[in-house]
Amino acid sequence: GAVVSQHPSWVICKSGTSVKIECRSLDFQATTMFWYRQFPKQSLMLMATSNEGSKATYEQGVEKDKFLINHASLTLSTLTVTSAHPEDSSFYICSASSELTSGNTIYFGEGSWLTVV
Amino acid sequence: SQKIEQNSEALNIQEGKTATLTCNYTNYSPAYLQWYRQDPGRGPVFLLLIRENEKEKRKERLKVTFDTTLKQSLFHITASQPADSATYLCALEDTGGFKTIFGAGTRLFVKA
Repeated sequence: GAVVSQHPSWVICKSGTSVKIECRSLDFQATTMFWYRQFPKQSLMLMATSNEGSKATYEQGVEKDKFLINHASLTLSTLTVTSAHPEDSSFYICSASSELTSGNTIYFGEGSWLTVV
Repeated sequence: SQKIEQNSEALNIQEGKTATLTCNYTNYSPAYLQWYRQDPGRGPVFLLLIRENEKEKRKERLKVTFDTTLKQSLFHITASQPADSATYLCALEDTGGFKTIFGAGTRLFVKA
């Protein structure tokens, strides 16, 4: 089946620094990728929708200048958390879909734990 | 406003029994509904998709029903096993959009 890889799995950074998380579709071309964040025991909250070759569409309340998304190719999207603060500590998950993946199914990466100290 | 509701209380059942999880939604007219499994600290894994014109879908020990009149989906795991312990999420495509919206999930514990 379709595989989505996310890297790094976990990262600890100092407050004020930037962190980049990569999301790759390994065996299919992802025309659209989605970025979510999830706090403990809470639902996945969609942050933004990333389309290859165009600007990402951010959800209401998500700061586009803080969470930079780049979808430079059909297999790679990156999320950069700029000037990270402790409140940005969370579980970030990407997902990908393609016209060729079956039944509008979304395939998720394994997630990235971000801890800002 | 649009809402997806799943029972926030954990469901505890004995091994071998059938687990039934509920997903209710309001102010949606989804073309399909999906169920995912999420283990702690991991990304969700797709389980089943059921379309609006399908009443029931099965996959091995899993069964999903979809009642568009009641605006409800039920997710059943028969002959449950401790390995089925996880959080189960239902998801709908946002009406008129291209986004998938998730419920908060229900945690299932299967005791041996």
